[in-house]
Amino acid sequence: AQTVTQSQPEMSVQEAETVTLSCTYDTSESNYYLFWYKQPPSRQMILVIRQEAYKQQNATENRFSVNFQKAAKSFSLKISDSQLGDTAMYFCAFSGGTGNQFYFGTGTSLTVIP
Amino acid sequence: ETGVTQTPRHLVMGMTNKKSLKCEQHLGHNAMYWYKQSAKKPLELMFVYNFKEQTENNSVPSRFSPECPNSSHLFLHLHTLQPEDSALYLCASSQGTSGSGQETQYFGPGTRLLVL
Repeated sequence: AQTVTQSQPEMSVQEAETVTLSCTYDTSESNYYLFWYKQPPSRQMILVIRQEAYKQQNATENRFSVNFQKAAKSFSLKISDSQLGDTAMYFCAFSGGTGNQFYFGTGTSLTVIP
Repeated sequence: ETGVTQTPRHLVMGMTNKKSLKCEQHLGHNAMYWYKQSAKKPLELMFVYNFKEQTENNSVPSRFSPECPNSSHLFLHLHTLQPEDSALYLCASSQGTSGSGQETQYFGPGTRLLVL
């Protein structure tokens, strides 16, 4: 079975600083995808970034980048130049195998402090 | 409307009531999902529909009854719920349900349900 673990329930960061959110997962699949979703207080879940397991290059989207360590089954999210609008719950998710079932972590609540 | 919409955004119901949640996606996708989000727990997948056919039912109690009349609309019919069913119910859609999880899911804003 697939599991996703986010060990940091809450984090905070000063505006303009950099923060890293951790995620580990467990799977026996060889081909899979990993995602980071952001859920602001308004509750709309938004895709932040996506990584394909067969790609060694880490995905980046503007201020958001990942550190994907396949052997360690680690998928951390780095947010650079943090902004107040980055305050949200961040969920790490895994999808692989048959179908399109997603497995989510319990989330990390990030607060950006002015 | 764009993306995935859900109505109502908030719902309070008694244990003997019958209500329905509605989800509509405007993305031209073929697969739709219902999730339950409770505090401090991972999102729980409830149902998956692909091309209007149910492909997943993750041991959800029969007091939750899904309906998918077409690829753009998904309903969740609720009856005789329990207080522990209070949660945020999220709808999502994706292009399809091809293997290896390559289909990104796009979420609606959710319905906050309170069962008294």
